[in-house]
Amino acid sequence: NAGVTQTPKFRILKIGQSMTLQCTQDMNHNYMYWYRQDPGMGLKLIYYSVGAGITDKGEVPNGYNVSRSTTEDFPLRLELAAPSQTSVYFCASSIAGGRGNEQFFGPGTRLTVL
Amino acid sequence: GIQVEQSPPDLILQEGANSTLRCNFSDSVNNLQWFHQNPWGQLINLFYIPSGTKQNGRLSATTVATERYSLLYISSSQTTDSGVYFCAVEYNTGNQFYFGTGTSLTVIP
Repeated sequence: NAGVTQTPKFRILKIGQSMTLQCTQDMNHNYMYWYRQDPGMGLKLIYYSVGAGITDKGEVPNGYNVSRSTTEDFPLRLELAAPSQTSVYFCASSIAGGRGNEQFFGPGTRLTVL
Repeated sequence: GIQVEQSPPDLILQEGANSTLRCNFSDSVNNLQWFHQNPWGQLINLFYIPSGTKQNGRLSATTVATERYSLLYISSSQTTDSGVYFCAVEYNTGNQFYFGTGTSLTVIP
């Protein structure tokens, strides 16, 4: 049981490039989340999904896209990377919403846009 | 949205000392978690505690939901406790968690 895994661990992009951050969980969790963490700050929610085929925006969705075709995978797409997207990106999952919605986090992807 | 404030922002302790970290939130919450982010950036679940008190070894947490705060107690601190402690809350069944800005803890030998 690997929990939540993310790839890559590190990435450097040039302005205007695009990339996909991968997230997979093997806990059969319905809910998945993408957060970003800027230096010295807490995490902010980018997008979340309550099940396959269903996604919704969080606090800071601009510049990102997501899809959820399976329960296990929740990739985050960056189009036209900008320096403001330099951050550490965390994926998380939880079994369900409502009471008992305990989140489990992946190790993070450190992204630098130059 | 909900405001989540943590105090103190920074804390330096001698090994063996005790400490209390506080998380205040501005609205009723359905869920609350405490995390430890270690110096390598990994987020580690400490407690899922929307109300009541829980203990796990040297750590314990209490949430008083009606008064909109939660406390994390660390006793007999160790250098491995160093890192940043975050609380995160979910409110209004919106399926969105809001994080505080954290308490940075440094335990010196």
